[in-house]
Amino acid sequence: GESVGLHLPTLSVQEGDNSIINCAYSNSASDYFIWYKQESGKGPQFIIDIRSNMDKRQGQRVTVLLNKTVKHLSLQIAATQPGDSAVYFCAEKVRNQGGKLIFGQGTELSVKP
Amino acid sequence: DTGVSQDPRHKITKRGQNVTFRCDPISEHNRLYWYRQTLGQGPEFLTYFQNEAQLEKSRLLSDRFSAERPKGSFSTLEIQRTEQGDSAMYLCASSFEHNEQFFGPGTRLTVL
Repeated sequence: GESVGLHLPTLSVQEGDNSIINCAYSNSASDYFIWYKQESGKGPQFIIDIRSNMDKRQGQRVTVLLNKTVKHLSLQIAATQPGDSAVYFCAEKVRNQGGKLIFGQGTELSVKP
Repeated sequence: DTGVSQDPRHKITKRGQNVTFRCDPISEHNRLYWYRQTLGQGPEFLTYFQNEAQLEKSRLLSDRFSAERPKGSFSTLEIQRTEQGDSAMYLCASSFEHNEQFFGPGTRLTVL
């Protein structure tokens, strides 16, 4: 039978450029957000997190921005490298709903050398 | 390597068989989580433990699924009478309290 593939949003950038990956989250009661990177055949790898009392947090080459007004999260990667090619997921944790993370759809980042 | 290990990494089984997966979390982490991930999707929460207590189970976790964490360290996830729809990557994560969750490499299950 015919198979139907699920196509992730894709972002293609040139090596050395900056990348911005966006995520809309669903629940205004979410108070903790995480970005994960997932390479093919591997588990998600923690990149950076942010709590809802902040609107910006920086790590090494990465910055997360949180806009609670429009429920929007973004991940900025500076000087993108081929090793950054992967699928990126945002995840949210809802206040007082235990420890589970709710993941977004994911964005595939492709870095051209 | 995050320090979370899972075994086996791959499992192929026939429909109707039982399978069991193991997860060893980072040693000082008191919370352990199980997620399931299908192709092209983000991980979906199944269940989590704080120490040996199972605190939450998703509606995705049918009565064919059971998870245990008997001594508050490693955990097992068992699927009874597997179905083709159970084919997925099963991911384990651990954390200390509400802090960031670190994922293992996953167990890829294929049900024929």
